[in-house]
Amino acid sequence: DQQVKQNSPSLSVQEGRISILNCDYTNSMFDYFLWYKKYPAEGPTFLISISSIKDKNEDGRFTVFLNKSAKHLSLHIVPSQPGDSAVYFCAARGGAGTALIFGKGTTLSVSS
Amino acid sequence: DTEVTQTPKHLVMGMTNKKSLKCEQHMGHRAMYWYKQKAKKPPELMFVYSYEKLSINESVPSRFSPECPNSSLLNLHLHALQPEDSALYLCASSQGLATEQYFGPGTRLTVT
Repeated sequence: DQQVKQNSPSLSVQEGRISILNCDYTNSMFDYFLWYKKYPAEGPTFLISISSIKDKNEDGRFTVFLNKSAKHLSLHIVPSQPGDSAVYFCAARGGAGTALIFGKGTTLSVSS
Repeated sequence: DTEVTQTPKHLVMGMTNKKSLKCEQHMGHRAMYWYKQKAKKPPELMFVYSYEKLSINESVPSRFSPECPNSSLLNLHLHALQPEDSALYLCASSQGLATEQYFGPGTRLTVT
């Protein structure tokens, strides 16, 4: 059973608009969440993270929101750029010393 | 510097061959990881090393043998692999087990 779910396999957005990528999780013990971006034939690149004690973390164009009661997090990219086109993975950790659990990814396409 | 390097970039091997994948980081990270990623799937954790000791083995077959010679290096020795082991093998490192992981570009392995 998937503990981290990214229900939208793909998302298309126009350049300059907001991209919102969503992620749901089932395990209330998860304490740390991360977003990674992956281009074809490359390893995932760490984007941004959030601890379960926070509800928002911002870094430049990227903002992650966490709603613990809904077990939901989202990544907002504003403004979206064509170079943001990639696969975005949500990941969660169940405590120090445990492995990251990844969602299946969402492919973002930003058109100019 | 947030670089994790992996060699080789591509590897083709027969089922009777013995080969090794190499990973290196110079960020002073004390945790290192091996992941396997099949097409259109998220990365799957294989092994975790913390302070050069194996701390997690996710029930990986013995034909995969990890080795951590020192805090900067991580190897994955391969022997008698099967065609279904063909995948992208990713190495990652992190400051500790509780922090974000940085991934290398991966080794694309094909088993014939």
